[in-house]
Amino acid sequence: DAGITQSPRHKVTETGTPVTLRCHQTENHRYMYWYRQDPGHGLRLIHYSYGVKDTDKGEVSDGYSVSRSKTEDFLLTLESATSSQTSVYFCAISVPGTDTQYFGPGTRLTVL
Amino acid sequence: GENVEQHPSTLSVQEGDSAVIKCTYSDSASNYFPWYKQELGKRPQLIIDIRSNVGEKKDQRIAVTLNKTAKHFSLHITETQPEDSAVYFCAASNGQTSYDKVIFGPGTSLSVIP
Repeated sequence: DAGITQSPRHKVTETGTPVTLRCHQTENHRYMYWYRQDPGHGLRLIHYSYGVKDTDKGEVSDGYSVSRSKTEDFLLTLESATSSQTSVYFCAISVPGTDTQYFGPGTRLTVL
Repeated sequence: GENVEQHPSTLSVQEGDSAVIKCTYSDSASNYFPWYKQELGKRPQLIIDIRSNVGEKKDQRIAVTLNKTAKHFSLHITETQPEDSAVYFCAASNGQTSYDKVIFGPGTSLSVIP
């Protein structure tokens, strides 16, 4: 499982509230990613990080922000949650030189 | 940017038969093509991958083929078993970049009927 954990695993919140999801890894990987998974869309990249304080946008970044102040933690924040952000969110790491990505267990977020 | 299409979206086969899932990609610079399997309620997990300098790769009952000219690649599962039932995702990546950004297809839901 590449030492990846996500918290919380499930969350129900209301429209307009801020939400922060945490991804934690124990193996000092440099590259980390946040994806959302929705039926019919596969996994879509939200934001990624290639080091502490180095982040960039993915294909569906609107409404999301990220922070990485430590190598082991990559935080995803929904500043003001909307119902369209109801989804399953996966964090991933990749090992340089192999191109392989390993996923965390996922967080199921419901925005009412 | 890269776009990955995947067909079919759902596939149902009898146990013991073969299953084939096909993907196409748009960026000719892509050079790494992984396949992930996701069981219900679980995380996606890598099952096989292929790089652009290889045309075919096998691992027991699973094989992947790549046609760079046509920009398509396929997953072949032989002698299917009920435990092969899952959603399968193809993906494409340009390993030349420093952050290995991977673009996924929309997925194929495979059901193996006992």
